[in-house]
Amino acid sequence: GAVVSQHPSRVICKSGTSVKIECRSLDFQATTMFWYRQFPKQSLMLMATSNEGSKATYEQGVEKDKFLINHASLTLSTLTVTSAHPEDSSFYICSARGQGGNTEAFFGQGTRLTVV
Amino acid sequence: DAKTTQPTSMDCAEGRAANLPCNHSTISGNEYVYWYRQIHSQGPQYIIHGLKNNETNEMASLIITEDRKSSTLILPHATLRDTAVYYCIVRVPRNSGNTPLVFGKGTRLSVIA
Repeated sequence: GAVVSQHPSRVICKSGTSVKIECRSLDFQATTMFWYRQFPKQSLMLMATSNEGSKATYEQGVEKDKFLINHASLTLSTLTVTSAHPEDSSFYICSARGQGGNTEAFFGQGTRLTVV
Repeated sequence: DAKTTQPTSMDCAEGRAANLPCNHSTISGNEYVYWYRQIHSQGPQYIIHGLKNNETNEMASLIITEDRKSSTLILPHATLRDTAVYYCIVRVPRNSGNTPLVFGKGTRLSVIA
């Protein structure tokens, strides 16, 4: 099946710094990718929809100036957590769907962000 | 997309079949049933999906009732590596690919040796 690669898998950063997470579709083009956040023992919560060549669409309650999304190409979306704080510590996951008749969603491995 | 109800948790003995139920009584005619699972600290993994006929692949079987108001995911011979949270999601498949999956709380399956 299609592969979505996310990098890094783990990152620790100091409070106040910024962290960039990359999401790549390795064997298909994705005009749309999705970013989720997951806190311990909770389900995945959609943060934003990343659109190639246009602005991302953010879910209610997600600060677009804090979580910067750039969809630079048909195979790459990045999420930058700016001025990170300990409460931003979470598991961040990206997703993309294939084209045509393939309706399955594929997910990256996730990024464990710890802000100290 | 229709709402789904799943048990919070289940246990299964290693080597036995794991049967995970899902209720989706408000499912509409063009909505499919999808199953994903999430092993701890990993991204979700697609398992199987179906409309009304039973489906089987190398990972699992999906049994959908005739009225389509409920379904069961069957892992025929559960192993310790099947321990995960299993999500049942009902939605209309859209080829445009620009609609996200919405996750409920899922069922936490624990496979016990």
